[in-house]
Amino acid sequence: GAVVSQHPSRVICKSGTSVKIECRSLDFQATTMFWYRQFPKQSLMLMATSNEGSKATYEQGVEKDKFLINHASLTLSTLTVTSAHPEDSSFYICSARDEGEKLFFGSGTQLSVL
Amino acid sequence: QKEVEQNSGPLSVPEGAIASLNCTYSDRGSQSFFWYRQYSGKSPELIMFIYSNGDKEDGRFTAQLNKASQYVSLLIRDSQPSDSATYLCAVSRGGNTPLVFGKGTRLSVIA
Repeated sequence: GAVVSQHPSRVICKSGTSVKIECRSLDFQATTMFWYRQFPKQSLMLMATSNEGSKATYEQGVEKDKFLINHASLTLSTLTVTSAHPEDSSFYICSARDEGEKLFFGSGTQLSVL
Repeated sequence: QKEVEQNSGPLSVPEGAIASLNCTYSDRGSQSFFWYRQYSGKSPELIMFIYSNGDKEDGRFTAQLNKASQYVSLLIRDSQPSDSATYLCAVSRGGNTPLVFGKGTRLSVIA
């Protein structure tokens, strides 16, 4: 299947700092990428849809000023968690569709905010 | 509101048995159906997808879709302890619409 690379895999940071997570489609172009968040033992929650060359579409309840998404090219989307707080600690996963409709996930980023 | 329902489990099966995982969805406009496997602390991995009514087999896995009943299932034959994971059902309306995920069913295969 298609390969989606995500890094870093783990981040520990102090409260108030910003954290950037990168998501790359390695062997295909992705005009759209999706960012999910998953709390322990919970289901995947879609945060936003990242569109290449345009603004991201955020799900209800997700603060766009806190979770900045940039999709600057057909192979790269970034999620920046600004002024992170302990309640932002979660597993963040990006995903991208290949030329078909199959969705492939990055390896995820475990964010821990102290 | 689009919903995907799965029994959270845990579903326990002995090694070598058939594991049957079920999923129902509320959106009749759903066109694409996916099963993902997620190990603890890892991201989901696509294992099956199905678009048409009926069965689709791939190795030990069989996906079954019944659009009239809004029901999709995953059968795992000859279950192995390494199959122990959470299985996520996901549906979409097709095209570039987001997938809607169920909460997942935790499968435990007992050696």
